[in-house]
Amino acid sequence: DIVMTQSPDSLAVSLGERATINCKSSQSVLYSSNNKDYLAWYQQKPGQPPKLVISWASTRESGVPDRFSGSGSGTDFTLTISSLQAEDVAVYYCQQYYTTPRTFGQGTKLEVK
Amino acid sequence: EVQLVESGGGLVKPGGSLRVSCAASGFTFSDAWMTWVRQAPGKGLEWVGRIKSKIHGGTADYAAPVKDRFTISRDDSKNTLYLEMNSLKIEDTAVYYCATEDGRSALWGQGTLVSVST
Repeated sequence: DIVMTQSPDSLAVSLGERATINCKSSQSVLYSSNNKDYLAWYQQKPGQPPKLVISWASTRESGVPDRFSGSGSGTDFTLTISSLQAEDVAVYYCQQYYTTPRTFGQGTKLEVK
Repeated sequence: EVQLVESGGGLVKPGGSLRVSCAASGFTFSDAWMTWVRQAPGKGLEWVGRIKSKIHGGTADYAAPVKDRFTISRDDSKNTLYLEMNSLKIEDTAVYYCATEDGRSALWGQGTLVSVST
């Protein structure tokens, strides 16, 4: 199984400041035939289901604010929120969909400092 | 409206069985690959398994902790996804979410709570 490891486990950032969450996979999730990374980021607020924010490592989903961006390839990925807003407080998960079993990172709790 | 609605959760004793359902609407369910993801209280997300669309064979894959105990099925005539859970263990206690799955999961239900306890 591909193991997904996020860092840090929790993060406190001031409003308006940048938040950066990292995700590392135990093996590459880059599919060479189409040069796509099979990596997604989800946001989960308390009492709600997860919400897909980024897919293919860097493609923002429709309706997701452009302050959210994803980067990286192969085994190392980053979710960046350029200017933290109060509504961004949540737990963020990365997930690989390169193979089954699909696997998630352990989650990063993002709070306001 | 495009949505997924889970139902059927509840309290069950260890060793018992339960079937949860996921009703889909607003999209062509028969074309969709579907997945179940669970979340134990206060914990992270855990992939349970997924089922392909019938046109792609309709087969299911499972995570190791539930393989041979859980069965995912679908009734395209009813636009409904099922998760049959047998030989339930205390560690199966979780909110169970259904979601669409074309690799990543763009549409999620609100979840249904399954509690396994004596």
